[in-house]
Amino acid sequence: AQSVTQLDSQVPVFEEAPVELRCNYSSSVSVYLFWYVQYPNQGLQLLLKYLSGSTLVKGINGFEAEFNKSQTSFHLRKPSVHISDTAEYFCAVTAVYNQGGKLIFGQGTELSVKP
Amino acid sequence: EPEVTQTPSHQVTQMGQEVILRCVPISNHLYFYWYRQILGQKVEFLVSFYNNEISEKSEIFDDQFSVERPDGSNFTLKIRSTKLEDSAMYFCASSEARGTGELFFGEGSRLTVL
Repeated sequence: AQSVTQLDSQVPVFEEAPVELRCNYSSSVSVYLFWYVQYPNQGLQLLLKYLSGSTLVKGINGFEAEFNKSQTSFHLRKPSVHISDTAEYFCAVTAVYNQGGKLIFGQGTELSVKP
Repeated sequence: EPEVTQTPSHQVTQMGQEVILRCVPISNHLYFYWYRQILGQKVEFLVSFYNNEISEKSEIFDDQFSVERPDGSNFTLKIRSTKLEDSAMYFCASSEARGTGELFFGEGSRLTVL
């Protein structure tokens, strides 16, 4: 079975500052990793995903994440945040060859960008 | 841009009543999912559906829950006899491919059981 831990439930940050949202996972098999964003009153939207290859993946809105197998982490970063990045961010994992394709989500991190 | 649509956006029901939540997945997608999020908790997997049958279901998805694709476009989640603890946001999702494919989520249906 897989599990995901997002280490910070809330991250307040000032506009134009860098941010890192932390995600650690646990799995006995190989996994694919995802970050989703949920803006207020909206559904979840894919930010980026790691399937294989380069461990640094770039996503939409200037976000990127680095897969670190030895530390079982997939932290999300952005060098300079905007007010519009205020949202809930979810890290998720699925086992490679999973029959149903289900995602296991972390608890979410609420990013609050202040002017 | 194609999107997943869900209805109703909010439903209030009495304990013990049946509820049907509806979803219209993206038209060329083959895999369909229901997730739920109890207020303040994780987004939890309920069930996945492919080729007109359940591929996988979680422990949460007990005999009170069922899913159906009645007409080739809608994908429904039925809760037969709602309990207070069923109060949650229910998200429908669909994808073209399993595992490596992006899941496209709807905006959710908030269910409140009184």
